[in-house]
Amino acid sequence: DVKVTQSSRYLVKRTGEKVFLECVQDMDHENMFWYRQDPGLGLRLIYFSYDVKMKEKGDIPEGYSVSREKKERFSLILESASTNQTSMYLCASSPTGEAGANVLTFGAGSRLTVL
Amino acid sequence: GDSVTQMEGPVTLSEEAFLTINCTYTATGYPSLFWYVQYPGEGLQLLLKATKADDKGSNKGFEATYRKETTSFHLEKGSVQVSDSAVYFCALSDRSDYKLSFGAGTTVTVRA
Repeated sequence: DVKVTQSSRYLVKRTGEKVFLECVQDMDHENMFWYRQDPGLGLRLIYFSYDVKMKEKGDIPEGYSVSREKKERFSLILESASTNQTSMYLCASSPTGEAGANVLTFGAGSRLTVL
Repeated sequence: GDSVTQMEGPVTLSEEAFLTINCTYTATGYPSLFWYVQYPGEGLQLLLKATKADDKGSNKGFEATYRKETTSFHLEKGSVQVSDSAVYFCALSDRSDYKLSFGAGTTVTVRA
């Protein structure tokens, strides 16, 4: 069964800490994405990557960075966590194919609380 | 930019009731349209999709038709079950790239 695995389901961090959220997919997908999910706002795209060492800003990149050193792994980094980054973070991947028609496979999510 | 608007919830229904969740979109081109579902404690998974006007996507008894004239992709199910309790997200994808834009989500609770 194909999978997107997020390393931590629940994290509690303090304001100012550096936070790493890890995501690994085993489907050999080229595209990987980080979204955050907040009630009433749906999913908002933070960053995405179409290939190793490539990254593109999404709709809300401020306060975040990403790293993609290997095809299967896409990390989200909060350099200095703030309380407004308390959220559910979802990683997803998709293959390269017909742009716009392909399907994202999501991980189970990482719920981050910043105190 | 492209965007999706879906009906606000929460929606509470009895088993075997008819479910409709409205979704409309704004896009400059001809996007692909999707419904994703998130069951409690799980990640999002694709429920159905449609890639061109008048296409009907269907899965697990759910249906949605891509209506270009009304820019809509409403989700329907004729007889819901308790196991359909979940959050439903409408989404679109511009054909120029691989990103998805999501609606706010609609929480559906089905009571026995």
